[in-house]
Amino acid sequence: DIQMTQSPSSRSASVGDRVTITCRASEDIGDYLNWYQQKPGTAPKLLIYGASNLQTGVPSRFSGRGSGTEFTFTIDSLQPEDFATYYCQKYDPIPPTFGPGTKVDI
Amino acid sequence: EVRLVESGGGFVQPGRSLRLSCAASGFIFDDFPVSWFRQAPGKGLEWVGFIRTRGFVLYNVTTEYAASVKDRFSISRDNSKGIAYLQMNSLKVEDTGIYYCTRVAPLAGNDYWGQGTLVTVSS
Repeated sequence: DIQMTQSPSSRSASVGDRVTITCRASEDIGDYLNWYQQKPGTAPKLLIYGASNLQTGVPSRFSGRGSGTEFTFTIDSLQPEDFATYYCQKYDPIPPTFGPGTKVDI
Repeated sequence: EVRLVESGGGFVQPGRSLRLSCAASGFIFDDFPVSWFRQAPGKGLEWVGFIRTRGFVLYNVTTEYAASVKDRFSISRDNSKGIAYLQMNSLKVEDTGIYYCTRVAPLAGNDYWGQGTLVTVSS
């Protein structure tokens, strides 16, 4: 199975900061890469699909880019509600596989 | 509004069975595959299994499972009711976690998630 890695595993940041997370796949996955946000006690929420497409209703300060094996996720001007754990996920073909997550905290 | 609601979780002893349900609304249920994921306490997200739509059966196979649950778990769906099920047999302590169902969209993958249901396996 394809393995997904993320860096950093955690990131301390302040409101207004720009935060970038990197995700790498062990094999070429094209652009079948999603980014999710998860807050404690809640389900993951899709932010970016197909590596760079913003899910409906998601603020434009979130963005993603990349293809093949290397991807980046960026939050421009971090807001208080953005403190959470972020996961990348390769979703096609099966099995869908997640990275280990990046916790963004204050 | 797309909505998925899981139910059926609870406390169960090792070796016993449990059936989870995922009730869908706000979209044409028949048109979308469904995946189940789980998350052990304080851990990351793990795929459990997947069921295709009636109209797309690959090599006569409608379901796929993670190796860790294959032969113990099974997924089914009742399109007339808009419900997907996860039947979990021979449960192990390591099956403990929150179980989520998701819709699988053609270009966006697992785009909508339920709120999850907690399964605790312990003696």
